[in-house]
Amino acid sequence: AQTVTQSQPEMSVQEAETVTLSCTYDTSESDYYLFWYKQPPSRQMILVIRQEAYKQQNATENRFSVNFQKAAKSFSLKISDSQLGDAAMYFCAYANPGGNEKLTFGTGTRLTIIP
Amino acid sequence: DAGVTQSPTHLIKTRGQQVTLRCSPKSGHDTVSWYQQALGQGPQFIFQYYEEEERQRGNFPDRFSGHQFPNYSSELNVNALLLGDSALYLCASSWDRYEQYFGPGTRLTVT
Repeated sequence: AQTVTQSQPEMSVQEAETVTLSCTYDTSESDYYLFWYKQPPSRQMILVIRQEAYKQQNATENRFSVNFQKAAKSFSLKISDSQLGDAAMYFCAYANPGGNEKLTFGTGTRLTIIP
Repeated sequence: DAGVTQSPTHLIKTRGQQVTLRCSPKSGHDTVSWYQQALGQGPQFIFQYYEEEERQRGNFPDRFSGHQFPNYSSELNVNALLLGDSALYLCASSWDRYEQYFGPGTRLTVT
């Protein structure tokens, strides 16, 4: 079974600075998808970024980018120019390909932005 | 275009009772997944519905059951509620198999 581990329960960063959230995963599959979801106090889970395992290039979405290290099974999220609106729980998630959309989530990292 | 909607927002039930939660998927989406998120935890997959059939199930007892209607909306039913069923229940819909859109969730409290 696949597992996802987030070892940082809480992180904080000064506004406008850069922060990196860590995630490791375990799978025997060679093709899969990885995601970072944001869950603000409103509770709604919002997709931040996704990475296909077969792609060498790291995904980027505006201020959000990932560092995907397939051999190390590591998938970190970098947030540049942190903004107050970035404060939320961040979840790393894994999905197998093959017609299966089940997401396996980590336990999350609570990110606090310091004004 | 409305996103994924869920009802009710909050619900309080007593141990042993039964509850039904509802989800309307995003327009154009035909697949609905349900997740349980206990306090301080990541969401756990309950099951997924596609073409009105349960396509996959997570490690949840038979007390958890579901249904998908022809319009792709879905219900989650939980029988014989336990205190441990208290959680945020999230519905997610998708069409592109790997991009799931989540609703705001239903907060269930069992007393």
